[in-house]
Amino acid sequence: AQSVTQLDSQVPVFEEAPVELRCNYSSSVSVYLFWYVQYPNQGLQLLLKYLSGSTLVESINGFEAEFNKSQTSFHLRKPSVHISDTAEYFCAVTLTGGFKTIFGAGTRLFVKA
Amino acid sequence: SQTIHQWPATLVQPVGSPLSLECTVEGTSNPNLYWYRQAAGRGLQLLFYSVGIGQISSEVPQNLSASRPQDRQFILSSKKLLLSDSGFYLCAWRGTGTRTHGYTFGSGTRLTVV
Repeated sequence: AQSVTQLDSQVPVFEEAPVELRCNYSSSVSVYLFWYVQYPNQGLQLLLKYLSGSTLVESINGFEAEFNKSQTSFHLRKPSVHISDTAEYFCAVTLTGGFKTIFGAGTRLFVKA
Repeated sequence: SQTIHQWPATLVQPVGSPLSLECTVEGTSNPNLYWYRQAAGRGLQLLFYSVGIGQISSEVPQNLSASRPQDRQFILSSKKLLLSDSGFYLCAWRGTGTRTHGYTFGSGTRLTVV
């Protein structure tokens, strides 16, 4: 069975500081990897995804994630966060041949001034 | 362009009352549809998914049911709500054969059972 572990439930950080949100997954078959962001009282929005090819993927708002197959990780990073990045972030995996997506428990990023 | 509508946005219901949450998708055909529940601090739990009209797969045995009466309509129901049914319910869709695209989520319904 597949599983997704987000190691930190909450990450407080000061504005303009770098941040890393950790995600590890477990799967015996090939998966696609995703990061979603959820702002308060809203649905989730796709932030970025890894399908194949280059292991480093980027979003339009400065986030990046790196797929590490040997460590089965897909950590999300941003070199300098803004107040507006305060949200909950979910890591997710989808089997390349399946209908379902498994989500991690989420990491709440809190950016302080 | 494709859009997803979910309503109501908030709902307060007494224990034992029925429930009906509706989700519709526009701008696409034959989508895969999903209902998730989000409880505080517990991530997203897949409740039901559907790959076509009348085709419902249940992930977790519980007090809820789902139906898909039309191609782009997905309904979550309960005959008698329990306190434990409280949570944030999210509908999502993904195009058939587009596992690489990720989900598009609705704006969610916050259900409080009192």
